Amino acid sequence: QGQLVESGGGVVQPGRSLRLSCAASGFAFNTYTMHWVRQAPGKGLEWVALVSSDVSIKYHADSVKGRFAISRDNSKNTLYLQMSGLRSEDTGVYYCAREQNLRGSAFFDDWGQGSLVTVSS
Amino acid sequence: EIVLTQSPGTLSLSPGERVTLSCRASQSVSGSYLNWYQQKPGQAPRLLVYGASSRATGVPDRFSGSGSGTDFTLTISRLEPKDSAVYYCQQFGRSPITFGQGTRLEIK
Repeated sequence: QGQLVESGGGVVQPGRSLRLSCAASGFAFNTYTMHWVRQAPGKGLEWVALVSSDVSIKYHADSVKGRFAISRDNSKNTLYLQMSGLRSEDTGVYYCAREQNLRGSAFFDDWGQGSLVTVSS
Repeated sequence: EIVLTQSPGTLSLSPGERVTLSCRASQSVSGSYLNWYQQKPGQAPRLLVYGASSRATGVPDRFSGSGSGTDFTLTISRLEPKDSAVYYCQQFGRSPITFGQGTRLEIK
């Protein structure tokens, strides 16, 4: 089991930008597809974006497409989420998660502790 | 987008009881890509079951998953107070990845 530690959250005004980071340790970061998942206060889980291990594949949820960009730096074992044009509905805890593939299944087997983003004027 | 609907929304049970949580998909989901997570207040989700019926490492055998197609269940036998949490199903088979809205389980 590895460790994922998010950082970069905080309070930001609507329309502004913020970059989240997720530092990975204890596993071969460059061999895993990584994801961001968010959770609005008191609400359920919403998948946000994924990036493949070699950065060749990136997908974003429609709700953030064109505003958020996922990236990674395998030399630094770090995952990023660049968020721009932030809206109040982007408020929530943002988790990074590791995708595991096993016996034909895919799932998130490791999660960070989360980073709180609050969009408010 | 595959919509996952979980039921019931909330339930309150006593220690030692057995509970079955339901997850219904708007389209057929390969059982290989239906997962269950447990989330306690202030914590990140924790994987319980993957591939519809395989328990994750360290998960007690009181937790079991089953189902296929559009109907999946998570059963918890012999409830313990520490099972109080919100339980989410997730499908990983079709983009975008989606989660159910969650079932909140309270152990009285």
